[in-house]
Amino acid sequence: SQELEQSPQSLIVQEGKNLTINCTSSKTLYGLYWYKQKYGEGLIFLMMLQKGGEEKSHEKITAKLDEKKQQSSLHITASQPSHAGIYLCGADGGGSNYKLTFGKGTLLTVNP
Amino acid sequence: DVKVTQSSRYLVKRTGEKVFLECVQDMDHENMFWYRQDPGLGLRLIYFSYDVKMKEKGDIPEGYSVSREKKERFSLILESASTNQTSMYLCATGVLSSGNTIYFGEGSWLTVV
Repeated sequence: SQELEQSPQSLIVQEGKNLTINCTSSKTLYGLYWYKQKYGEGLIFLMMLQKGGEEKSHEKITAKLDEKKQQSSLHITASQPSHAGIYLCGADGGGSNYKLTFGKGTLLTVNP
Repeated sequence: DVKVTQSSRYLVKRTGEKVFLECVQDMDHENMFWYRQDPGLGLRLIYFSYDVKMKEKGDIPEGYSVSREKKERFSLILESASTNQTSMYLCATGVLSSGNTIYFGEGSWLTVV
């Protein structure tokens, strides 16, 4: 079965700093999905990457997919307290179009 | 916007009780899912359904069952709740194709005492 490893597990940054979260898959990535979760709430979809080398941005968040390395990174520029939360990557293992496997998440704290 | 509604945000149940968690989606999606989320373990798939009355086990189905009588509604059932089923339960719906994704409800916090 596919496994996703996220690093770091937790991260504390000062407001205004840049940061990167990584997600590495044990198998080939057919689709990589990034979600954000506020504590105790549901997951909010951020971005999806499908093609090797693909890069997408939304406001100050950029995600990249390196298909050769079976890895994706999520980069936040000039972090704000509103960016705080848990970031999760999910992967579609291919062969079916209905199931996502998730990493364990990265807890981001942004200190004002 | 896709709306996934979980009927109960917070529940406290006693060991041995039968528990129903309800989920309704408004997007006419065929696929619906139940996950549970625990510290250090992440999200784990319990059951999913790809059509009315169709269901498949996920990674941790033991102690759970599901019901899908109508397309928009997917219920998770704990036949006899146990303390190790205390968790956050998340319902989701969607399809992973053509640039689509899976959308989640706000979650149901279940405590079994």
